[in-house]
Amino acid sequence: KNEVEQSPQNLTAQEGEFITINCSYSVGISALHWLQQHPGGGIVSLFMLSSGKKKHGRLIATINIQEKHSSLHITASHPRDSAVYICAVRSETSGSRLTFGEGTQLTVNP
Amino acid sequence: DAGVTQSPTHLIKTRGQHVTLRCSPISGHKSVSWYQQVLGQGPQFIFQYYEKEERGRGNFPDRFSARQFPNYSSELNVNALLLGDSALYLCASSIGPYSPLHFGNGTRLTVT
Repeated sequence: KNEVEQSPQNLTAQEGEFITINCSYSVGISALHWLQQHPGGGIVSLFMLSSGKKKHGRLIATINIQEKHSSLHITASHPRDSAVYICAVRSETSGSRLTFGEGTQLTVNP
Repeated sequence: DAGVTQSPTHLIKTRGQHVTLRCSPISGHKSVSWYQQVLGQGPQFIFQYYEKEERGRGNFPDRFSARQFPNYSSELNVNALLLGDSALYLCASSIGPYSPLHFGNGTRLTVT
């Protein structure tokens, strides 16, 4: 079992829909990252969080440390949100090393 | 301000050859980390350097090595290339080892 599990693996939505991507992890962590990867490979860091909730524009990230679970929400989705969304954690015992999930491929249709 | 730059963008090598990948961090960033992303999978941590010292190493063979220079740029070296080394190699920089990451666009390595 991977230390970081994401669900769903693939997600197709219609423009305007509310989207949720989930991330579960099995180790104690000091931080969790949500990343966005577009075709071609470039990665953009969306959020780094260790507790509670963060919001940036239409994106919201939440984390529940006790349940070892985080969610990324996209409100009013748009075709330009189509990308792979990756969850990565920094465990309490691995220093600055990140462990990544496999990613969730999101496609938003117009 | 320039982002994280990686070179080359694409590279084709033959099995057994050696490759050097380069990364220039954002100005002021002292930490550089390297990741390997095989097609269809999430990235895997290879190395992290901070202030020119190795701060972490992933589960990669000794064929993989890296270093960080006084200007904080970094090189990733891979010796005796195998077909399985074909991947996107990503570099990320940050102010410190626990700060938010800024990724480059990666180097796509194909080993034939």
